[in-house]
Amino acid sequence: RKEVEQDPGPFNVPEGATVAFNCTYSNSASQSFFWYRQDCRKEPKLLMSVYSSGNEDGRFTAQLNRASQYISLLIRDSKLSDSATYLCVVCPNDYKLSFGAGTTVTVRA
Amino acid sequence: GAGVSQSPRYKVAKRGQDVALRCDPISGHVSLFWYQQALGQGPEFLTYFQNEAQLDKSGLPSDRFFAERPEGSVSTLKIQRTQQEDSAVYLCASSLLVTCNEQFFGPGTRLTVL
Repeated sequence: RKEVEQDPGPFNVPEGATVAFNCTYSNSASQSFFWYRQDCRKEPKLLMSVYSSGNEDGRFTAQLNRASQYISLLIRDSKLSDSATYLCVVCPNDYKLSFGAGTTVTVRA
Repeated sequence: GAGVSQSPRYKVAKRGQDVALRCDPISGHVSLFWYQQALGQGPEFLTYFQNEAQLDKSGLPSDRFFAERPEGSVSTLKIQRTQQEDSAVYLCASSLLVTCNEQFFGPGTRLTVL
């Protein structure tokens, strides 16, 4: 079983729509959680950290459920520029990042 | 501001050849990581350096893979006797601190083994 499991999508949504997706992780000792964004044939870049209380960054909302070992990302008012692969990332120890396979989102005009 | 750079960006090797991939991390970053990303997958951890010390090489798939960071800055990932299954994008990342925080990735080296 992979350490981080994600729904691969693709999620194909119109501009202005809300899209949400999630991931699950297997290591209950994990302490740090992130969403990274990866554009086609580019490197991953940090989108946002995920905190236990949930957090927002503009149109993006991340939630963490430690009991269920579940992380979610919600994008409101989708823009064309939000089209990308979103990588769920868990840190199971002091330094190492474990990545999910990514969820592909395509926002259409 | 300089980010993480990697060279070459693309490498085509014949099966059995040795290759060397270079990473220049952000200046002053203590931690350096190598990842392997296959098509349609997320990056998979290969190895971790804290300054010049290689503290974790648990992700290296075989003893054909070797990484070094002799002066605690530039790092090289070497793959000996390349195989077709080694074809992937090799990503280097660096971070300022030792603890788990944001990692800054380079553009990657796309390796194709024929």
